[in-house]
Amino acid sequence: EDQVTQSPEALRLQEGESSSLNCSYTVSGLRGLFWYRQDPGKGPEFLFTLYSAGEEKEKERLKATLTKKESFLHITAPKPEDSATYLCAVVLGGNNRKLIWGLGTSLAVNP
Amino acid sequence: GAVVSQHPSRVICKSGTSVKIECRSLDFQATTMFWYRQFPKQSLMLMATSNEGSKATYEQGVEKDKFLINHASLTLSTLTVTSAHPEDSSFYICSATVGAGYNEQFFGPGTRLTVL
Repeated sequence: EDQVTQSPEALRLQEGESSSLNCSYTVSGLRGLFWYRQDPGKGPEFLFTLYSAGEEKEKERLKATLTKKESFLHITAPKPEDSATYLCAVVLGGNNRKLIWGLGTSLAVNP
Repeated sequence: GAVVSQHPSRVICKSGTSVKIECRSLDFQATTMFWYRQFPKQSLMLMATSNEGSKATYEQGVEKDKFLINHASLTLSTLTVTSAHPEDSSFYICSATVGAGYNEQFFGPGTRLTVL
């Protein structure tokens, strides 16, 4: 069964304390992996798309990497405004382009 | 770029009434739009996928007669919850994507539906 697992479920960091979030997947026919950020009561905000193992993308304090089994979202020197739930999703081959979602990591950054 | 809007952001209605939610892609033409439902502290649950001018494809377990989807143009999709009941109360989110490939989806801000 195709599955996406995110860890940890929750993470609390001090401002400036770097860390990584993990998204592991067991799927057949991966076509792409996406990272989103979701604030309470809002829709997910797109962060990154990764298509192949070895690919890396960066945006401000965030860097996403991809291997054949997992993806990491590295957060460097986080700030309180980085507090949010970070969601990972994969898209498989096929016509419907349906996303398979992880349950997310809830990140809290204390000042 | 890639902005998706939803209207209304919040709606409260009485049981038995119908509610329409609009989803618009503001600065791009969306090949495909998706409708999701999200329960508290849970991930997004895909309800249906729609392409402009075609009938929506509903996920297993989603009642297509209850959740009517119309994809009238490349920038507008609507979700109508017919004869709403309290169990339909939820957070509804739409998304849109461009092109025929495996591209990212851009999400709207969501609509909080409360059925009394």
